Amino acid sequence: AQSVAQPEDQVNVAEGNPLTVKCTYSVSGNPYLFWYVQYPNRGLQFLLKYITGDNLVKGSYGFEAEFNKSQTSFHLKKPSALVSDSALYFCAVRAPTGRRALTFGSGTRLQVQP
Amino acid sequence: DAGVIQSPRHEVTEMGQEVTLRCKPISGHDYLFWYRQTMMRGLELLIYFNNNVPIDDSGMPEDRFSAKMPNASFSTLKIQPSEPRDSAVYFCASSYTSGGAGFTDTQYFGPGTRLTVL
Repeated sequence: AQSVAQPEDQVNVAEGNPLTVKCTYSVSGNPYLFWYVQYPNRGLQFLLKYITGDNLVKGSYGFEAEFNKSQTSFHLKKPSALVSDSALYFCAVRAPTGRRALTFGSGTRLQVQP
Repeated sequence: DAGVIQSPRHEVTEMGQEVTLRCKPISGHDYLFWYRQTMMRGLELLIYFNNNVPIDDSGMPEDRFSAKMPNASFSTLKIQPSEPRDSAVYFCASSYTSGGAGFTDTQYFGPGTRLTVL
């Protein structure tokens, strides 16, 4: 079975500082990894994904994520946080074959203080 | 493209009533997913379709829940009879299998339907 862990319920960071939202996963085979963001009363918006290739993946709104196979991690990062980045962030994983549905983590609330 | 469209956006009903949630996937997408989001259980998959055929419904809570996809542009999720514990936000998502070696498929989500069962 596949699973995702987001160990922090909330991350607080000051505007302009770098941010990291942590994610670790468990899956059979090489993982397909995704980050989504959810703003209040909205659906999930796709940020970025890792399928294969370069371990550093760049996505929307200046976000990037680093795939680390040995640590089974896929942490989301941004060099300089904005107040508008405040939202709920979900990491998701699926195996490359078989079940198509994503398994989501519990979510991490990012709060960027001005 | 308008993205994934869901209706209604909000639904308030009384216990025992039938509820029907609707979804229009992005045109050309061949996979459709129904998820449910609650504070207690987070995001959980209910069922998904490929080319209008249900592939995995292991997440459907019980027989009160049913889903159909009569054509490539429409799906419904029905709860009959509804119960207060069904209160949640229900999301529909769709994706496109681009094919070929190394293909990937990003799921795009609709805005969700917030269901409240009194």
